[in-house]
Amino acid sequence: GAVVSQHPSRVICKSGTSVKIECRSLDFQATTMFWYRQFPKQSLMLMATSNEGSKATYEQGVEKDKFLINHASLTLSTLTVTSAHPEDSSFYICSATPSGGATQETQYFGPGTRLLVL
Amino acid sequence: AQSVTQLDSHVSVSEGTPVLLRCNYSSSYSPSLFWYVQHPNKGLQLLLKYTSAATLVKGINGFEAEFKKSETSFHLTKPSAHMSDAAEYFCVVRSNAGNNRKLIWGLGTSLAVNP
Repeated sequence: GAVVSQHPSRVICKSGTSVKIECRSLDFQATTMFWYRQFPKQSLMLMATSNEGSKATYEQGVEKDKFLINHASLTLSTLTVTSAHPEDSSFYICSATPSGGATQETQYFGPGTRLLVL
Repeated sequence: AQSVTQLDSHVSVSEGTPVLLRCNYSSSYSPSLFWYVQHPNKGLQLLLKYTSAATLVKGINGFEAEFKKSETSFHLTKPSAHMSDAAEYFCVVRSNAGNNRKLIWGLGTSLAVNP
């Protein structure tokens, strides 16, 4: 149980285009999902907290107009990188916390999406 | 405020020898602590977690960690390393104050296991 999927697993795009990444909780409902960014050989950096039915909360220094987050249902959150540039190339990881119950202590992570902007 | 420090960026052990990955934390409130493992090209996997129950926590794959409040430490150990343990390990802290579920991540420790 507690499986989180991400799609696509990797994407290559041209500079200036937009890319959408999906994060789904497959067997549980998640009121809250998180989006992280990880640079090579570095730790995870929290970008934003996504709450179902409300606006995402962005961390300091993360441009909300550049990284659009939509959490339309209890099992799906999307991250859209708008007008992508080479410096946006990174590994993007989402996680989800089950709604209620003892398991809300734990975040379950997706496998990540590797974005390469040419 | 919460923070977490992984004292070693890289640890190298021989197969069959013990593993020790060190982690110290800082938290204003009683924290929850986690260890995650990240294998190359795979997603993060939860090894174990401490949430104010038993201070010695047993996880998957033979790993365990002990919460020591007096030392503000949560070191990860395994009696005998296996080649498949080679990966990146992250110590993570979460404050239990309020409804903030944000995790604070350590910088990671890369574990190499030599034959």
